[in-house]
Amino acid sequence: KQEVTQIPAALSVPEGENLVLNCSFTDSAIYNLQWFRQDPGKGLTSLLLIQSSQREQTSGRLNASLDKSSGRSTLYIAASQPGDSATYLCAVAPLGQFYFGTGTSLTVIP
Amino acid sequence: GAVVSQHPSRVICKSGTSVKIECRSLDFQATTMFWYRQFPKQSLMLMATSNEGSKATYEQGVEKDKFLINHASLTLSTLTVTSAHPEDSSFYICSARIRRAGEYQETQYFGPGTRLLVL
Repeated sequence: KQEVTQIPAALSVPEGENLVLNCSFTDSAIYNLQWFRQDPGKGLTSLLLIQSSQREQTSGRLNASLDKSSGRSTLYIAASQPGDSATYLCAVAPLGQFYFGTGTSLTVIP
Repeated sequence: GAVVSQHPSRVICKSGTSVKIECRSLDFQATTMFWYRQFPKQSLMLMATSNEGSKATYEQGVEKDKFLINHASLTLSTLTVTSAHPEDSSFYICSARIRRAGEYQETQYFGPGTRLLVL
């Protein structure tokens, strides 16, 4: 069964810093990987989707990379802002349902 | 983009009652919908996969008689928590897999979630 792990579990940075969130998964046979943002008590907001044939995706200040062979993905956030404070989840889809990581709780301090 | 709605967004009920949660794809047809559960400070765990017109497939450890899933149409799936107990209090999120003619599209869109509190 696919297992997804995210490191660190929590991260606190001053505003303006660049940061990297890590995601690792045990089974490299995935169809795609997706990064989500979840605000407290809210649903999921999709940030970036990387198909298995791709190595990275970019959207604004966000860049996600995927290395299937090593079972790793990173989410890079440039010039962090207080509004980026949230829990970030990565999820992998072999085919069909997503397997979610444990999440990284990010706090950006003004 | 594609929109998935859930109703209600929040529900409080007494122990022993049943609660129905609806998941709708508003502007697309979804042959498959997924139901997830999230306990406080934990990640989402898949409960079941719901296919239109057929029985749902439940993950190991999820009681199918307690969590009844009906996927009656291409735009609606319902999750009924029967005889709810306090330990069923959780955040329930659905997702819908978009169906495009002539291709197999893996993109899923998530609903906003339903927070259930059983007293």
